[in-house]
Amino acid sequence: QVQLQESGPGLVKPSQTLSLTCTVSGGSISSGSYYWSWIRQPAGKGLEWIGRIYTSGSTNYNPSLKSRVTISVDTSKNQFSLKLSSVTAADTAVYYCASYGSGRSWFDPWGQGTLVTVSS
Amino acid sequence: QSVLTQPPSVSAAPGQKVTISCSGSSSNIGNNYVSWYQQLPGTAPKLLIYENNKRPSGIPDRFSGSKSGTSATLGITGLQTGDEADYYCGTWDSSLSAGLYVFGTGTKVTVL
Repeated sequence: QVQLQESGPGLVKPSQTLSLTCTVSGGSISSGSYYWSWIRQPAGKGLEWIGRIYTSGSTNYNPSLKSRVTISVDTSKNQFSLKLSSVTAADTAVYYCASYGSGRSWFDPWGQGTLVTVSS
Repeated sequence: QSVLTQPPSVSAAPGQKVTISCSGSSSNIGNNYVSWYQQLPGTAPKLLIYENNKRPSGIPDRFSGSKSGTSATLGITGLQTGDEADYYCGTWDSSLSAGLYVFGTGTKVTVL
């Protein structure tokens, strides 16, 4: 059974780039047809989908973040990553990685989430 | 940015039933499957319902989902204290060619 675990700095300075990694265990990130996604949740607020990358490497991003987001895959490490540039306090949130199989429309599993605070 | 509207909160006594609505449009709920997620305090969301009304293995049949037109509904019967959580609906929005996943505004369930 696939499990996901986020990792990365918990504190990022304004205007810098937020970088997070999601490690996939219990399966290969390059086997099968899966989409790997990032989702975030500011404290006390709802969920926001950031974007996804397919096993082939193709990506789709939320238009509201598209100019600042890059999602990539490292098959050698069985990981996928998120980079969000020019961050502000509004980017402070718990960031989750999640996945779903091709032909499916639901996110399962999810990582446990990691809090990223943007502050000087 | 949520385009799916849910009531902020619902409540009921233990053993009772609650329903949570999720209202969207033809570009999202109207033409795509709806999923529901349960988020217990301090934890990651967990899949509760997929493809409008299907339950993953391990989810009790006290939880049910339905969809009609551009709205979806989550029902919880035999309410338990352990059901106190935030619940989110979610679906794909087809208004953009690239696709955009949208979540509902979230509903807090309180067991009185």
